[in-house]
Amino acid sequence: SSELTQVPSMSVALGQTVRITCRGDSLRSFYASWYQQKPGQAPIFVLYAENNRPSGVPGRFSGSRSGNTASLTITGAQAEDEGDYYCCSRDSSGNHWVFGGGTKLTVL
Amino acid sequence: QITLKESGHTVVKPSETLTLTCDFSGFSLTTTGVGVGWIRQPPGKALEWLALIYWGDDKRYSPSLKSRLSITKDTSKSQVVLTMTTMEPVDTGTYFCVYSRGQAAGNFDNWGQGTLVTVSS
Repeated sequence: SSELTQVPSMSVALGQTVRITCRGDSLRSFYASWYQQKPGQAPIFVLYAENNRPSGVPGRFSGSRSGNTASLTITGAQAEDEGDYYCCSRDSSGNHWVFGGGTKLTVL
Repeated sequence: QITLKESGHTVVKPSETLTLTCDFSGFSLTTTGVGVGWIRQPPGKALEWLALIYWGDDKRYSPSLKSRLSITKDTSKSQVVLTMTTMEPVDTGTYFCVYSRGQAAGNFDNWGQGTLVTVSS
């Protein structure tokens, strides 16, 4: 299967930790990348290759992978972290890409 | 600084062909490993990868849309063009142009602001 599955919505209290997961068979072979999208804006690239952050992404964002599941963790969530988070990976062929359905994160 | 900007049809009629242009700056599509692609998002829905073209003219298409898509590059103009034939109302959404820094990594490092395409008669 080339599908990536994400929980549609999650919430986290301000300053607490939240883990957003992404499941898919292709994640056993390929890394996930993660994108944050705020309403009315283009997505931005926040995590790649299991636990690497592009320049400018706060250190509270981290990642991990276990089996067919990739995770994005926000340690000490801030109000500005509210938004939609999408995972992405190559499909089983390695030649195409697939996105998860997205997780809407609410910071309480 | 890398920038990408989408332009093209904003309203197309069903069965017509959509043509979108991505004008980019801050990198060259002749650099080894670099790619430019397209991703779309229907209103209120998830992102969907469409196509990608690499520095060496290697092209990749979404398997479900391959028969309708074409992606080309003009390195002299720093442009990538996406065409999608036989447009339908379900193709309505925001279309994003993206930059991929490395073919091996396969990430979408930078995104354009997106352009809203509406398919309606």
